[in-house]
Amino acid sequence: GNSVTQMEGPVTLSEEAFLTINCTYTATGYPSLFWYVQYPGEGLQLLLKATKADDKGSNKGFEATYRKETTSFHLEKGSVQVSDSAVYFCALNAGNMLTFGGGTRLMVKP
Amino acid sequence: DTGVSQDPRHKITKRGQNVTFRCDPISEHNRLYWYRQTLGQGPEFLTYFQNEAQLEKSRLLSDRFSAERPKGSFSTLEIQRTEQGDSAMYLCASSTSGATTDTQYFGPGTRLTVL
Repeated sequence: GNSVTQMEGPVTLSEEAFLTINCTYTATGYPSLFWYVQYPGEGLQLLLKATKADDKGSNKGFEATYRKETTSFHLEKGSVQVSDSAVYFCALNAGNMLTFGGGTRLMVKP
Repeated sequence: DTGVSQDPRHKITKRGQNVTFRCDPISEHNRLYWYRQTLGQGPEFLTYFQNEAQLEKSRLLSDRFSAERPKGSFSTLEIQRTEQGDSAMYLCASSTSGATTDTQYFGPGTRLTVL
């Protein structure tokens, strides 16, 4: 079956530090890949997506590249802000539903 | 476009009671999904509708759970004889055609607490 594995948190960084959150997946076929973000007290928001191999999704300074050879979709940001503190979920869609990873909590300190 | 809405936002009930949640999707979206999220975990798929037809159900959806989308617009999720293990956040999402490239947009969720 389909599955998503992402690094466990919490990840604690100082403001302006470089961020990487690892995500790897197992899927049949050719899934689309997503990063969603959940800010405290809010619902899931789409952060970025990629629909085929070597695509790069980007939004709000965050980037992730669909790597078919390593079945990965790692999330990166060059300089995090306190306002980026949230839980980040990697997900794939290989049919009619999203399969999510367990989430990674990011805490950014001033 | 007002986004996906869910009602109520919070529900506290006693074990054994029935509860019903409502989801209103983005108006032009024909697909509607229900997910469940327990504390510290990612959301898990429960079921989805294309228009009024329920096309897939997860094994997580026991016979105490029933979902409907009678007119292809809003949807309801009912849990009968609630158990403490049903305590979770219930998320609704909607999308357009349902291709793997389509984005699912989520509502704020309904947090259920079963005492």
